[in-house]
Amino acid sequence: QQPVQSPQAVILREGEDAVINCSSSKALYSVHWYRQKHGEAPVFLMILLKGGEQKGHEKISASFNEKKQQSSLYLTASQLSYSGTYFCGTELNTDKLIFGTGTRLQVFP
Amino acid sequence: EPEVTQTPSHQVTQMGQEVILRCVPISNHLYFYWYRQILGQKVEFLVSFYNNEISEKSEIFDDQFSVERPDGSNFTLKIRSTKLEDSAMYFCASRATGAGELFFGEGSRLTVL
Repeated sequence: QQPVQSPQAVILREGEDAVINCSSSKALYSVHWYRQKHGEAPVFLMILLKGGEQKGHEKISASFNEKKQQSSLYLTASQLSYSGTYFCGTELNTDKLIFGTGTRLQVFP
Repeated sequence: EPEVTQTPSHQVTQMGQEVILRCVPISNHLYFYWYRQILGQKVEFLVSFYNNEISEKSEIFDDQFSVERPDGSNFTLKIRSTKLEDSAMYFCASRATGAGELFFGEGSRLTVL
């Protein structure tokens, strides 16, 4: 049931773009995206629901392909503050949000 | 801005001892969760709690673990007899609806010696 994330790590220069992918083998009700900085709690970025509803921060965009059970997080014009580990979380219409193994993003000046 | 608060921030205990981790979820939230994260690894689901009962639990959440909402504000995780492998950061989270974003607390670091 654990979603699979790719890539495992990304290194960027400020201003560059990145895409992080998340896939599941089961039909999803929702996909969540969170960012965690070292030593801190995960922070909500985006939720995408079955049926097309989305909610999240303005500067973050993501997609959810319900047929393929895949989601992608798009980080454009990256800033130093984007550095951290990104986790996708998936729910199968139960009250159980399972996180993937994470994608470590490092942005350098 | 309302936040989830957790105590203690760090607890050191001897193997075999009981530990209680406490959480105060956001006041109008109805769904409560415990996750744990072993250093450098992923965030693992332990248990979800709604309407004063467990909704879902993972295979990690065995008989050594229990959760309780003893009053209208606190949500606790008890580990009855700690093992070395229980050493981790434990995060409490809450949300207003069953389909919304999770709000995480800052975590309680448990070290079992």
